[in-house]
Amino acid sequence: DTEVTQTPKHLVMGMTNKKSLKCEQHMGHRAMYWYKQKAKKPPELMFVYSYEKLSINESVPSRFSPECPNSSLLNLHLHALQPEDSALYLCASSQALGSRAPYEQYFGPGTRLTVT
Amino acid sequence: GEDVEQSLFLSVREGDSSVINCTYTDSSSTYLYWYKQEPGAGLQLLTYIFSNMDMKQDQRLTVLLNKKDKHLSLRIADTQTGDSAIYFCAESIGNTDKLIFGTGTRLQVFP
Repeated sequence: DTEVTQTPKHLVMGMTNKKSLKCEQHMGHRAMYWYKQKAKKPPELMFVYSYEKLSINESVPSRFSPECPNSSLLNLHLHALQPEDSALYLCASSQALGSRAPYEQYFGPGTRLTVT
Repeated sequence: GEDVEQSLFLSVREGDSSVINCTYTDSSSTYLYWYKQEPGAGLQLLTYIFSNMDMKQDQRLTVLLNKKDKHLSLRIADTQTGDSAIYFCAESIGNTDKLIFGTGTRLQVFP
């Protein structure tokens, strides 16, 4: 199983809502990532978790709150978002962190978020 | 800056070869990657090259790396309609797992 699943597929939320994006993998990977991709732009890294601990936070605003409850799950909690936060949110996982080998990042299909 | 540049669009006839180019910025990148993104989907790793290599061939894919010019290319032989997608190059930053993606090239294959 080389699949990363993300739910929901689409999400529309108001600026005062609280919602969560979910990501799951069962490949035994110990590194998980959140990316944000605006239309016609490349993905931009937001967060990296390694062994369920936050390893990289790319200066993301606090209205985005990641959580890694166990090695298979990664959540992104959303609160008080702005319309400019509308984007495709991609989750990825890889075997581990470390530059000794090019650990392939497996991507999920993404959640398309619209903030109204 | 960390801009990784690619040409925006490439159109080729089915059966021809496609060459997608990328100019990256970090000379200390350990690996350089090519990813494919189909509409509405996540990214799929196609191939990668270690920074001390000049060339890597993987079935229909050939990657060329010119480290002096910080230039990376992906050649797809016998391009098929199923190859139509957006292609992103990516570099790893130094010895980290942070990937910086290129601006993306939309490849359109026509019959």
